[in-house]
Amino acid sequence: QSALTQPASVSGSPGQSITISCTGTSSDVGIYNLVSWYQQHPGKAPKVMIFEVYKRPSGVSNRFSGSKSGNTASLTISGLQAEDEADYYCCSYAGRFTWVFGGGTKLTVL
Amino acid sequence: EVQLVESGGGLVQPGGSLILSCAASGFTFSGSAVHWVRQASGKGLEWVGHIGSKTKSYATVYGESVKGRFTISRDDSKNTAYLQMNSLKTEDTAVYYCLPVTSPGTKYYFDYWGQGTLVTVSS
Repeated sequence: QSALTQPASVSGSPGQSITISCTGTSSDVGIYNLVSWYQQHPGKAPKVMIFEVYKRPSGVSNRFSGSKSGNTASLTISGLQAEDEADYYCCSYAGRFTWVFGGGTKLTVL
Repeated sequence: EVQLVESGGGLVQPGGSLILSCAASGFTFSGSAVHWVRQASGKGLEWVGHIGSKTKSYATVYGESVKGRFTISRDDSKNTAYLQMNSLKTEDTAVYYCLPVTSPGTKYYFDYWGQGTLVTVSS
């Protein structure tokens, strides 16, 4: 159950687009279309932004989108806004009723 | 409205034990699996384990770092899940969240988060 690999930090200017990668293995991200993404502001509980690779829960802005290629999933945020500054975590089902999270990525809006 | 109230956190010495509770409401608790996830201060999220519903024979699965030390249980009559933590280590210090699967469609992700309860393992 090794953690999924995410970049420690990414940054972008308001209005730009950024992409956060999440690399796993053929035992988790690569084999299951069950990747989810969570946004966490300081001192707050995480909030799901994307589930099952690309699906958005009701109420989540369509500026957030997800995709997957091979063992790597990605979260793209377009039209970056100041309120998007937060930590982002990916998570994948890893089989046999186990889940694995990524180490997290700190997004800075410049 | 789904509500989750985690409790039982506190300061415990290394090697000690603690039981966390998660009281749930707003959905059919008895039919729902429940996960526990933790987050050390300034660190990332870690999946701890989960317990299935009665129809899944209350099956439990644990992450490698807690296997053999932590036990998840539930009392459906009280709509409450528990996390029994034994042989605690300093690295178990974290905020612990319980996360129910509130519907079949949310089986593989976590859509409801409580406020969490802080566990501090220190001498």
